Amino acid sequence: EGQLVESGGGLVQPGGSLSLSCAASGFTFSGYWMSWVRQAPGKGLEWVANIKQDGSEKHSVDSVRGRFTISRDNAKNSLYLQMNSLRAEDTAVYYCARGYGWVDYWGQGTLVTVSS
Amino acid sequence: EIVMTQSPVTLSVSPGERATLSCRASQSVSSNLAWYQQKPGQAPRLLIYDASTRATGIPARFSGSGSGTEFTLTISSLQSEDFAVYYCQQYSNWPPWTFGQGTKVEIK
Repeated sequence: EGQLVESGGGLVQPGGSLSLSCAASGFTFSGYWMSWVRQAPGKGLEWVANIKQDGSEKHSVDSVRGRFTISRDNAKNSLYLQMNSLRAEDTAVYYCARGYGWVDYWGQGTLVTVSS
Repeated sequence: EIVMTQSPVTLSVSPGERATLSCRASQSVSSNLAWYQQKPGQAPRLLIYDASTRATGIPARFSGSGSGTEFTLTISSLQSEDFAVYYCQQYSNWPPWTFGQGTKVEIK
């Protein structure tokens, strides 16, 4: 059974940067689109970005485009999210997720708090 | 961007009763719709994809229907473990994939 484990969350000041990682196991990582989905405290879900199996195609939501970069390393079975110019509204639990359209595996999430 | 609107916001149901949740898209998403269940402190769990296909391991009491702009998730006989928040999500038009705001199913 597949497993996704995120790391890298924490407290960062507005304008700062943070890098999230997701370690995948139990399935052929290189065979799947992967995504990041976030959830602000007490709020709903928001799709942030996704990346094709070989990394050749990436998409992100308008609110993070130009600030967040999704990437992957298939040799390390890992997904990444580099977050720059962070804003208070980026505060959320960030989930690593397997899938292009729908998500069938989710990580447990990592909390990113943007605050001074 | 396609806006997904779920109703009601909160649904109060007694155990053993039927629950019907609605999701409406601002434009047609064909059958490109998924449903998720989320319990407090947990990641979402995929229930339904392609509007009506149950995900692996999902009990038969969960069913999805609809196409175009109107969708329904039905839980035929609510069990105690079904009290949670439910989200619909479209994957027809990127960017971006969008979620509804959620329906909380609570014990009556």
